[in-house]
Order: sequence, then C-alpha cells, then structure tokens
Amino acid sequence: DAMVIQNPRYQVTQFGKPVTLSCSQTLNHNVMYWYQQKSSQAPKLLFHYYDKDFNNEADTPDNFQSRRPNTSFCFLDIRSPGLGDAAMYLCATSREGGHMNTEAFFGQGTRLTVV
Amino acid sequence: SQKIEQNSEALNIQEGKTATLTCNYTNYSPAYLQWYRQDPGRGPVFLLLIRENEKEKRKERLKVTFDTTLKQSLFHITASQPADSATYLCALMEYGNKLVFGAGTILRVKS
Repeated sequence: DAMVIQNPRYQVTQFGKPVTLSCSQTLNHNVMYWYQQKSSQAPKLLFHYYDKDFNNEADTPDNFQSRRPNTSFCFLDIRSPGLGDAAMYLCATSREGGHMNTEAFFGQGTRLTVV
Repeated sequence: SQKIEQNSEALNIQEGKTATLTCNYTNYSPAYLQWYRQDPGRGPVFLLLIRENEKEKRKERLKVTFDTTLKQSLFHITASQPADSATYLCALMEYGNKLVFGAGTILRVKS
C-alpha cells in the first residue's frame, strides 16, 4: 500500500501559469519535505514542515510556496513556472529527528514539464 | 551547512563481486547517516541508517560503515546482482529535521 502519494505523476504546465503539486501521507509523520531533483543531481531541499512549523531554505526562490493544511496533506505551489523549474519534485515524510527511526519515505514524484 | 560528496563517476562491476560506494561529508559529524536507493524516474527508497556510535551496520547483503574521524561512510553490496543496478544516495540529518542528500553514485552490475 502506498504510504506517500503524489499527484499527478506527470504535469505539463505553460510558462508563467501557476501550478500546484500535491502530496498525501498515511503514516501520520509530523515532518514533511519537498525536494526538487534535476537529472543526475542530488535532491535539493526546498522546504520542510515540522507539524505546522514551516522551514524555508535560504536559496529557495520566492516563486515556490507551500501549504500544509493538516498532517496528511502538503502542497507545492509554483506561482510563475519558468523553463528552469522543469524537474522531478519529490515529497517525503519522516518522524522527527530525535526519534529512533527517522528514515524518510518518498512518494513516486511528480515530473514537471514547462512549455 | 553540510556538503555531501559522493563519487560522480559510475561504478561498473561484474555480477558476484562486492560493490563499495563512498560518502564524505565536510562539517560536523551527524548523529546518523542514511543510505537510499533510487531507480530512474522514481523516488528514493530507504536502505540503512547508521548512528555515530555504530561502526558498522548490516542488512542481508548490505553493509554500511561510519568513520567520524574520516568523516566518511562506506556502503557495500556483497554478491552483487544486475538487479542492484541503481543510483545510491547518501543522506544526513542536519539540525532541525533538515534531511540533505548527496548527488548519488550510479552502480551498474553486469552479468
């Protein structure tokens, strides 16, 4: 059974047209992450939540926003996608860092294409 | 913040041999370090976690070591199989639940 679900798997959007990617989890983890991954590169952390506490990375562009309305759901909003935002977007969850088992569980990712 | 370095060159080995992948980090030693497997077009999958007070961790054909003096972790796959071909990512948790990844090393196992 899928525990972290991302929708859609593939998203095509027009240059400059706002797009929202979604992530849901059934693990009841309090930490949720959004990563951007381009070909042959490391997953780049955009931001993460610890419960409702939002943590933005210093180098994440303002064009990227996130919402976490409840424990189970998290959204990534790209306000004005540019060609450079084409990438795989990965959502992950984990227990908090002080817990014994803190491995991250990833969704299948959303492949974003900007045309 | 931490910089995580993994060998950017692909590792090509023959089936049945042991694959050894390296992960180096630059700053403070984390409380623990994790290894993940990623197949093309998919999200990473957790494999093993090793804590700073553990020298070695094993799971089936997998073994991880952690040397805080060298600031290095080694990941071994024994009796490698073509199905082990994938990208292997090293990750560590920074302060405040921030999980950061290396770029990974591609492993190709040839039969």
